[in-house]
Order: sequence, then C-alpha cells, then structure tokens
Amino acid sequence: DIQMTQSPSSLSASVGDRVTITCRASQSISSYLNWYQQKPGKAPKLLIYAASSLQSGVPSRFSGSGSGTDFTLTISSLQPEDFATYYCQQSYSNGYTFGQGTKLDIK
Amino acid sequence: EVQLLESGGGLVQPGGSLRLSCAASGFTFSSYAMSWVRQAPGKGLEWVSAISGSGGSTYYADSVKGRFTISRDNSKNTLYLQMNSLRAEDTAVYYCAKVGIAVTYEAFFDYWGQGTLVTVSS
Repeated sequence: DIQMTQSPSSLSASVGDRVTITCRASQSISSYLNWYQQKPGKAPKLLIYAASSLQSGVPSRFSGSGSGTDFTLTISSLQPEDFATYYCQQSYSNGYTFGQGTKLDIK
Repeated sequence: EVQLLESGGGLVQPGGSLRLSCAASGFTFSSYAMSWVRQAPGKGLEWVSAISGSGGSTYYADSVKGRFTISRDNSKNTLYLQMNSLRAEDTAVYYCAKVGIAVTYEAFFDYWGQGTLVTVSS
C-alpha cells in the first residue's frame, strides 16, 4: 500500500503569511495527488487535484506543485477562513490513501 | 447542483450490522465512480471503499475487506455500504463522495455528503 506522510502535523501562522505544507508518498505516484481542506464539523472540500490543478471556485491563493513522491500545497497569503486542517490524498492506486493531516491554526 | 445525502448511521453493538445509504442528485449518477471515506472522532480521513459507475468493480481498504460491501442502484441514484461484523474501531463519521476524473485521468473526490455517524458500542 502507498503511504502518505504530511509535514508538519500542525502549524501556527498569521493572517497574510505564506504557508507551505508538504506531502511525501512512499513510492512514485506521478501527479495523482489531491489536496483537501476540512473545517470542524464539516465535510472535506477539494482544493487541488492532479497535483497542481485548482478546483473550480477555489481562491487563487491556493496552489499545488510536485510530482513523483514530493508535493507541496502553498497558501500565498493566509486569510481568516483558511484556518483548518489540510489533507493530501493519492489516487495512483485504488487505495486512495490520505495523509495524516496538517492542522493550521492562528498564531 | 450536486447533492449527496447519507443516511443509516446509528448505534450498533459490536458484531452487529448496519447499512448506510447515500442518495445522489444533480449529476448522471451511473457515469461516475463513488466512494466511502470515514473519520473516527478526532482523527484523520480514512478511505474505506470505492465502486465503478457500472458497479462492476469494487475496491476496499484492508481494514474493512471481507466485512463491508459497497454497492449501488443506478436506477435509484443511490450508493450503499453494508457493514457487517462491526468493531469499536469502525466508530466514525462516514462520508460518501463522488469521484471526478481529470482530463489526464487522475481521480479525485469533488463532492462530499455531510456524513453519517456510526457508533459501535455495547
């Protein structure tokens, strides 16, 4: 099974900061990597698919990059509504594994 | 507008069974694979199972293989998850999700339901 490891597990930042979250796959997954945002008590929301494609309706301050085993999610200028937990997910194999999550909170 | 509405959650004893349903609307249901994802209280997301649009192909996480069965009724636009031999560690919110496909064939979960809580406890 493909394992997904996110870093950091938690992160404190301020409004306006640039933030980067990293996701590493245990084997090459090409560009089969998605990013989701989840707020407490809510369903996850798709932000980025295929490593770098922005989902419709998602603000352009979110961007994704990477291929193979190493990927990043970048938020260029944090807004108050961005404080949430972020998950990466691989769709290379039928296991659709998620990373353990990165909780982003206010400094 | 795409809508996914889960139902069927509740309290069940260890070893018991439960069937979850997910009613879909706003898209051509039979054209898309669907999936179940769960989240234990205070924990991260765990993929559970997926099924092709026709229902002919199914996939399971090792943690539920042999105990859970995913199925769909395309005439009713409904996805199911039959859960047998339930364990305390199956306690979670269960989400259904629609599987989208990029032009370069990568899959992703583009729409999610609100979730239904399953509690396994005596």
